[in-house]
Amino acid sequence: AQKITQTQPGMFVQEKEAVTLDCTYDTSDPSYGLFWYKQPSSGEMIFLIYQGSYDQQNATEGRYSLNFQKARKSANLVISASQLGDSAMYFCAMREGLSGGSNYKLTFGKGTLLTVNP
Amino acid sequence: EPEVTQTPSHQVTQMGQEVILRCVPISNHLYFYWYRQILGQKVEFLVSFYNNEISEKSEIFDDQFSVERPDGSNFTLKIRSTKLEDSAMYFCASSPLAGGTYEQYFGPGTRLTVT
Repeated sequence: AQKITQTQPGMFVQEKEAVTLDCTYDTSDPSYGLFWYKQPSSGEMIFLIYQGSYDQQNATEGRYSLNFQKARKSANLVISASQLGDSAMYFCAMREGLSGGSNYKLTFGKGTLLTVNP
Repeated sequence: EPEVTQTPSHQVTQMGQEVILRCVPISNHLYFYWYRQILGQKVEFLVSFYNNEISEKSEIFDDQFSVERPDGSNFTLKIRSTKLEDSAMYFCASSPLAGGTYEQYFGPGTRLTVT
């Protein structure tokens, strides 16, 4: 079974509008973290936002917010006031087992290609 | 702002040749990782490294792969005998021992092309 599912291969949004990128996850570990990374066409991976499984509030970082619904196991990324520079691939990722160990590997979804139209 | 660096940015090699991909993690980080991304696909975990030893490796990380931290700054991934299917972008990442997010900082990647 997929641990991270991103059901939207591609999304389009008009400049200045908000967009939501979906992510659902599957884990039996009570301690986990959820990440969103942006990958522009140049290829680098840029960290956007993090949500811990025990965090009471939804994470926010500037124009990025994470709509965390623990019971539904979803961690959707919301980008407000889209800009042309937001056009990129967006990956949701999960790290399990925050309670101990030296692993902390990330498991990624397949990504969503966001295109911002002028 | 400190960053992870990787060299080379692009490596072309012939099938069967050995390649070494180099990474310089952020200086006070203690956890190191290699991931790969085949063109158009998702990022996949290869190996994690802590306290001078491998802490976990994926099924992809077979005997052809090895990692090393030869000195206090470099972290290398070696592929002994490259195959066509090793063509991918290889990302190095590092994270600190402590910290709220345990965020992994990624390098810019090395694009490996095996011909």
